[in-house]
Amino acid sequence: DQQVKQNSPSLSVQEGRISILNCDYTNSMFDYFLWYKKYPAEGPTFLISISSIKDKNEDGRFTVFLNKSAKHLSLHIVPSQPGDSAVYFCAASAGGSQGNLIFGKGTKLSVKP
Amino acid sequence: ETGVTQTPRHLVMGMTNKKSLKCEQHLGHNAMYWYKQSAKKPLELMFVYSLEERVENNSVPSRFSPECPNSSHLFLHLHTLQPEDSALYLCASSPMLLAKNIQYFGAGTRLSVL
Repeated sequence: DQQVKQNSPSLSVQEGRISILNCDYTNSMFDYFLWYKKYPAEGPTFLISISSIKDKNEDGRFTVFLNKSAKHLSLHIVPSQPGDSAVYFCAASAGGSQGNLIFGKGTKLSVKP
Repeated sequence: ETGVTQTPRHLVMGMTNKKSLKCEQHLGHNAMYWYKQSAKKPLELMFVYSLEERVENNSVPSRFSPECPNSSHLFLHLHTLQPEDSALYLCASSPMLLAKNIQYFGAGTRLSVL
């Protein structure tokens, strides 16, 4: 049973518009969430994270929102650029001393010029 | 360039072969990880090493055998694999074994088992 779910396999957005990628989780013990971006033939690279004590974290064009009651987080990219086209993975961890990350299946974002 | 290098990038092997995947990190990190990504599945954590000691083995079949000779190198030895083991194998490292440490990934080895 998947603990981290990204229900949209793909998303297409026009350049300059907002991209919203969604992620749901089931484990209430998760207290740290990350987004990774992956280009073809490369490994995932860290994008942005959020701790469960916050509901929003912003870094330039990227903002992550966390709704703990709904067990839902989202990544907003605004404005979207063609270079943002990649697969985005949501990941979660349950804290403590273990570095275990539980990943979603990913959402492929295509930003069209 | 993430500072984590995996070789080979592609590998084709028969079910009776023995091969090894190599991972090297140049970041001075103390924790290293092996992940498996099968088609249409999320990344699955296989093994975790901290300071060269294995701390996690997620019910991985014994035909996969990890080795961490030092904090910069991680190997995954493969023998008598099955076709369903065909996948992308990713190595990652982090400064320490803490949940809030960002993991840095290599580009992966695309493995095909015939």
